[in-house]
Amino acid sequence: DGGITQSPKYLFRKEGQNVTLSCEQNLNHDAMYWYRQDPGQGLRLIYYSQIVNDFQKGDIAEGYSVSREKKESFPLTVTSAQKNPTAFYLCASSNPRTDTQYFGPGTRLTVL
Amino acid sequence: AQSVTQLGSHVSVSEGALVLLRCNYSSSVPPYLFWYVQYPNQGLQLLLKYTSAATLVKGINGFEAEFKKSETSFHLTKPSAHMSDAAEYFCAVSDGRSSASKIIFGSGTRLSIRP
Repeated sequence: DGGITQSPKYLFRKEGQNVTLSCEQNLNHDAMYWYRQDPGQGLRLIYYSQIVNDFQKGDIAEGYSVSREKKESFPLTVTSAQKNPTAFYLCASSNPRTDTQYFGPGTRLTVL
Repeated sequence: AQSVTQLGSHVSVSEGALVLLRCNYSSSVPPYLFWYVQYPNQGLQLLLKYTSAATLVKGINGFEAEFKKSETSFHLTKPSAHMSDAAEYFCAVSDGRSSASKIIFGSGTRLSIRP
């Protein structure tokens, strides 16, 4: 089955630690995205990538980093510089021909 | 710049009643418009999308939405609510012009269904 997988589903982090969230897709999509979701605020774009080895900052990139070494993978690192990282993180991918984004199941990050 | 406004952060209807979730958009170019649904602790699932073809768009689970340019609206409706429709619904807009168009999401409307 084609789709987007995110792991882990739940992640706990101590303050001051970096953590990396995984996102993998087998839809052969060129573009991939990371969003942060907080209650009552909808989705906010963190980073996006249109092709391998290229990515752009979204609206709230501070305290986050990404890489795009493979078409299928777009990991997100939440660094210790992110002041309030507790949130639900969603990864998505899209095919330029359809311009529709498809979402993974999300990772809930909690800072202890 | 594009934006989308969802009117009402919480809507409650009785089972079997009409569902109406409101969305207004702002766009300087002909927009692509989307409705997504999110169940608790899950990702977003596409319900339907408008891409300048028919103004009445039919989606999954019996939902439909009508694009009204004069009102800059794209309201989501379903004739008869079911308990399984309880979820959060997001309206979104993009310009659809680039190979990786950024989608702007509304803040969401939580739909509750009363037995």
